Amino acid sequence: AQKVTQAQTEISVVEKEDVTLDCVYETRDTTYYLFWYKQPPSGELVFLIRRNSFDEQNEISGRYSWNFQKSTSSFNFTITASQVVDSAVYFCALSEGERGNKLVFGAGTILRVKS
Amino acid sequence: DSGVTQTPKHLITATGQRVTLRCSPRSGDLSVYWYQQSLDQGLQFLIQYYNGEERAKGNILERFSAQQFPDLHSELNLSSLELGDSALYFCASSVASWAGRNAIYFGEGSWLTVV
Repeated sequence: AQKVTQAQTEISVVEKEDVTLDCVYETRDTTYYLFWYKQPPSGELVFLIRRNSFDEQNEISGRYSWNFQKSTSSFNFTITASQVVDSAVYFCALSEGERGNKLVFGAGTILRVKS
Repeated sequence: DSGVTQTPKHLITATGQRVTLRCSPRSGDLSVYWYQQSLDQGLQFLIQYYNGEERAKGNILERFSAQQFPDLHSELNLSSLELGDSALYFCASSVASWAGRNAIYFGEGSWLTVV
């Protein structure tokens, strides 16, 4: 069965600090897809990234970067030079297989960035 | 703005009542997913439709039902409401019939409060 673990319930940082949000997943499939979403205080879920299991290249998008390591079943998310607007709940999610019909979400990590 | 539109944004209703949540997917997307977010259960997959047909069911109660219409909008019907049904209900959409194939975009959610 598929499972996503976000062990960090809450993280507090001061603005301009770098912060890494951890995501560990479990799946029996060799083909799977990983996602990150941001949920700001307003409540909507904002898509950040999708990565397939065959692409282990790290990705950078502005201040955001993602580190995918199949050897440790992790897909960690780093925010560089954090800003107050980054304060949100961040969710990691997994879709299993080429015909998986759902995303299984982790419990989320609350990120608080203080000025 | 994800392009996924959900109405209503907020809804307060009494126990035993029935409500309908509506979702318009992004232009060109054929898949619609419904998720429930509650404090105790987190984000849970309810059901998926693809081009008018039900494709997958998750943890959806028998009191809940959904459909996708020919114009691809979807409705989630919640009946015999209980206090525990109070939650944020998300609709999401994607192009493909399976979850990992493309990015999945979520709407802003419908906040349901049952009193």
